[in-house]
Amino acid sequence: DAGVIQSPRHEVTEMGQEVTLRCKPISGHDYLFWYRQTMMRGLELLIYFNNNVPIDDSGMPEDRFSAKMPNASFSTLKIQPSEPRDSAVYFCASSLWDEGRGYTFGSGTRLTVV
Amino acid sequence: AQSVTQLGSHVSVSEGALVLLRCNYSSSVPPYLFWYVQYPNQGLQLLLKYTSAATLVKGINGFEAEFKKSETSFHLTKPSAHMSDAAEYFCAVSPGGTSYGKLTFGQGTILTVHP
Repeated sequence: DAGVIQSPRHEVTEMGQEVTLRCKPISGHDYLFWYRQTMMRGLELLIYFNNNVPIDDSGMPEDRFSAKMPNASFSTLKIQPSEPRDSAVYFCASSLWDEGRGYTFGSGTRLTVV
Repeated sequence: AQSVTQLGSHVSVSEGALVLLRCNYSSSVPPYLFWYVQYPNQGLQLLLKYTSAATLVKGINGFEAEFKKSETSFHLTKPSAHMSDAAEYFCAVSPGGTSYGKLTFGQGTILTVHP
């Protein structure tokens, strides 16, 4: 199993540009999560999906952020327009409901907005 | 509602010494508890989990944790630290039972191991 795959690993973009982060979950997992990690706020859950349906997006910071999961093997997190305060490491994780098996995380995308 | 508090943002030990990383949780329902480890520039890796079976849980790399309901704690220990244990450790909680719950993470504890 290749694990959770995120791309790109690093992204540097200018303020105001659109940024798209991508995630391929582990095959067969029915939950997918997007987290953001910063020094100041730690790990924050942005949104999660179950069977491709968004369940809880209360962590999405504002309307500039959007996430989609068009099928079971792909999800995107989009920021438009990007701002310097969006600079962080964004993690995708997937899970199979099995009485708390825990999540499998991807390696993350380090986003820098200049 | 659920929350996790990790006591000590930085812990430093000598190689071969006991590792103790503290975690206290708050949960309105019986929880599932987890410890994750993050090495530099990597994602989080599951170390161990408690899901209402045995209260003493053994994980990878020689780590273990004990669930103590009376103290609402889930501290992580390792008898003898190794240089390769240097990393950041996160405690996390989710609601247990039959409904799936999202994980809530603590702020993390950075473990430094000195030769």
